[in-house]
Amino acid sequence: DQQVKQNSPSLSVQEGRISILNCDYTNSMFDYFLWYKKYPAEGPTFLISISSIKDKNEDGRFTVFLNKSAKHLSLHIVPSQPGDSAVYFCAASASGTSYGKLTFGQGTILTVHP
Amino acid sequence: DAGVTQSPTHLIKTRGQQVTLRCSPKSGHDTVSWYQQALGQGPQFIFQYYEEEERQRGNFPDRFSGHQFPNYSSELNVNALLLGDSALYLCASSLGENTGELFFGEGSRLTVL
Repeated sequence: DQQVKQNSPSLSVQEGRISILNCDYTNSMFDYFLWYKKYPAEGPTFLISISSIKDKNEDGRFTVFLNKSAKHLSLHIVPSQPGDSAVYFCAASASGTSYGKLTFGQGTILTVHP
Repeated sequence: DAGVTQSPTHLIKTRGQQVTLRCSPKSGHDTVSWYQQALGQGPQFIFQYYEEEERQRGNFPDRFSGHQFPNYSSELNVNALLLGDSALYLCASSLGENTGELFFGEGSRLTVL
């Protein structure tokens, strides 16, 4: 039972354009959502998060949008840069459990072409 | 400032053997979580240790066990290895149980033959 799904295995974008990565979840108990980025031979690194009391959170070029009614979140990267090429994981946790217990999606490979 | 360090980085075992993986958390962190990442999949939560106790556990059999030491470092033990245990094992540390920002190590790549 995949509670967090990233349905696009890969995404290719031109440098300077917008990258939009999508994530769907099924567990209505999830109330905290995160995006992690992973380069080859490195561990995932935290990118941005959003609590369920918000519908948008921005950090520089990165913006996460949350649509609770649709159980959907997305990560926007504007403008995209070649250094953004990596695997992006969406993750979720539920209050009442430890935030160390994250449920991850399968990941989306983002390639930004110069 | 040392980040999360894991050892060994790669290892090969045969079915039925036992393996121990080690993790030192980021300086100042007291909580360690372990994840298994199979090829082409996202990380899956195994368990979390805080104050030397297992606090949360994912859907993994008892063959997977762990330990946290007084210096907050941690070990993951897997007994009776199966081919399906081949994966990247990631350790993540955080300060306290209730923070979403985990800091991950590079992982230990386990191959079971």
